[in-house]
Amino acid sequence: EVQLVESGGGLVQPGRSLRLSCTASGFTFGDYGMSWFRQAPGKGLEWVGFIRRKAYGGATEYAASVKGRFTISRDDSKSIAYLQMNSLKTEDTAVYYCTRVRRFGSSSNPDVYYYGLDVWGQGTTVTVSS
Amino acid sequence: DIQMTQSPSSLSASVGDRVTITCRASQSISSHLNWYQQKPGKAPKLLIYAASSLQTGVPSGFSGSGSGTDFTLSINFLQPEDFATYYCQQTYSTPWTFGQGTKVEIK
Repeated sequence: EVQLVESGGGLVQPGRSLRLSCTASGFTFGDYGMSWFRQAPGKGLEWVGFIRRKAYGGATEYAASVKGRFTISRDDSKSIAYLQMNSLKTEDTAVYYCTRVRRFGSSSNPDVYYYGLDVWGQGTTVTVSS
Repeated sequence: DIQMTQSPSSLSASVGDRVTITCRASQSISSHLNWYQQKPGKAPKLLIYAASSLQTGVPSGFSGSGSGTDFTLSINFLQPEDFATYYCQQTYSTPWTFGQGTKVEIK
């Protein structure tokens, strides 16, 4: 079964750090990009960032709201993606989801690809409060 | 950043109804548009990718259309398990952005 399981959430004080893990199973982890999203209580979905697969250099991109504070990394040998969160703020309080980034080809143009988040973890809650 | 605007924000419908949700992008995103369904306390689920392609395992009552800036998600013959919140998302450029969501409630 294809599965993602997040861990590492919890209560943390503002300014402190936390590292989330996303453990994958049921698929070849290294073949996929991975992305993190979050959802504040009662709010919509927000993209946090992603990491490309090693074949594409493992490059990362981040939302402006977390750039410079959050870092995404991956360990393909362990099938784990990480989200290192530093200098946490109260507004970082949310459920954090990791997702698999699926690349879909275009039926009409072989040079065009589409991306969808086809596998989601169950989410882990991060609460930033003093 | 590309802004995604969904309408309506919520709607009430009955089992068996046809429901349509619209999503507008602030600039052209070609067909780089996905639709997700989220139920309370659960992770989102991919329904539609590339604006109109049905994700494997998703019932055929769901369909998507549109390109450029205007997109539609339709649900034919609404089922009890379809009552949820639906989000559109663009992956044309980063930051990937979502609409604010449309909550489909039971009338």
